[in-house]
Amino acid sequence: GAVVSQHPSRVICKSGTSVKIECRSLDFQATTMFWYRQFPKQSLMLMATSNEGSKATYEQGVEKDKFLINHASLTLSTLTVTSAHPEDSSFYICSAIPTGGNYNEQFFGPGTRLTVL
Amino acid sequence: DAKTTQPPSMDCAEGRAANLPCNHSTISGNEYVYWYRQIHSQGPQYIIHGLKNNETNEMASLIITEDRKSSTLILPHATLRDTAVYYCIVRVLNDYKLSFGAGTTVTVRA
Repeated sequence: GAVVSQHPSRVICKSGTSVKIECRSLDFQATTMFWYRQFPKQSLMLMATSNEGSKATYEQGVEKDKFLINHASLTLSTLTVTSAHPEDSSFYICSAIPTGGNYNEQFFGPGTRLTVL
Repeated sequence: DAKTTQPPSMDCAEGRAANLPCNHSTISGNEYVYWYRQIHSQGPQYIIHGLKNNETNEMASLIITEDRKSSTLILPHATLRDTAVYYCIVRVLNDYKLSFGAGTTVTVRA
């Protein structure tokens, strides 16, 4: 079955530093990937849509200069949280759609828990 | 702007059927009903989706009312591993956006 991995699974960083989170589709190519954020006891919120070879599309209220997304290959998208602050602490989840597949086939990664001290 | 309403929580007994309700009274004619679940500290998992006919797969059954204003997800034989938050989502087929509401926290008890 289609597997999406994320690395790291957990990260703790100091305030003001930048953190990069990787999302990989392991056994399929994904032209489109998505990044979600989930605060404790809340639901997932879509942050941005990542398209291979083009700029990401950000949802309203998400700062594109703070959350840098790079989708450089058909199997890898990265999310960099720049100058992280404690309020950025959250569970970040990516998902991927197989190239040529329909949006029903959206496979999620296991998530990355970011804690900013 | 959640389009669905679900009970915040429910308990069910292991081995019994779990019936999870969802109201979507403003659903449009071209919107499907999707169900996902999220086990604690993991990414969501697709369960099933349907338009107006009842659907069944290896995980669950989806019963949609004739007026499509509500639906029920049925886990036929709940196990402890089915403990999760279950999300009912309505969306147009092939629309990339998944708008997750609060979901229903289902706890399966031995």
